[in-house]
Amino acid sequence: DTEVTQTPKHLVMGMTNKKSLKCEQHMGHRAMYWYKQKAKKPPELMFVYSYEKLSINESVPSRFSPECPNSSLLNLHLHALQPEDSALYLCASSQGWQGIGNTIYFGEGSWLTVV
Amino acid sequence: GENVEQHPSTLSVQEGDSAVIKCTYSDSASNYFPWYKQELGKGPQLIIDIRSNVGEKKDQRIAVTLNKTAKHFSLHITETQPEDSAVYFCAASIRTGNQFYFGTGTSLTVIP
Repeated sequence: DTEVTQTPKHLVMGMTNKKSLKCEQHMGHRAMYWYKQKAKKPPELMFVYSYEKLSINESVPSRFSPECPNSSLLNLHLHALQPEDSALYLCASSQGWQGIGNTIYFGEGSWLTVV
Repeated sequence: GENVEQHPSTLSVQEGDSAVIKCTYSDSASNYFPWYKQELGKGPQLIIDIRSNVGEKKDQRIAVTLNKTAKHFSLHITETQPEDSAVYFCAASIRTGNQFYFGTGTSLTVIP
């Protein structure tokens, strides 16, 4: 069973809504990630936090706003999304970021539908 | 950057048969190769991984082989069972960071 917990599992939001996805891990990992996955496609990296600081932003639109309140928590704030943003959003964590072969562990994901 | 190709995109096998999924990578600096299994409606789960200093690794019915010279690695599942049906992703990680480059996925169906 995954030790990365994501809430909510399903979210339906309008294009003018503001919502948040939440992620928690208690493995003592210092790197946390947000990925976006469309149907039948591999996960696409969005953001990487290392030691609670944003290390990577893969040119993600500003309507997605990540936040890392502490080493165990990761949020993704959503505002003014478009229907094409509908996807499975995956949180993941690993022991570290700048390291050789740190294994990434994924959560079960949050299914987002934008109407 | 790294480019990971994965074949086949779909694979159907009879229960009890073996399944093989192959991936190739382009960057010789890649040194870590995990495999993930994603069941319908769930997140990817790590099933096995291999590092570049090892040629083969086995865990019960699952094995992974790595050929660094040819830059390819493969997932082998023996004695397949219906619960092995899922999408499998390979990935490669480069030496200097933890950016994972994923293959395009293989949808495996095990027919009872």
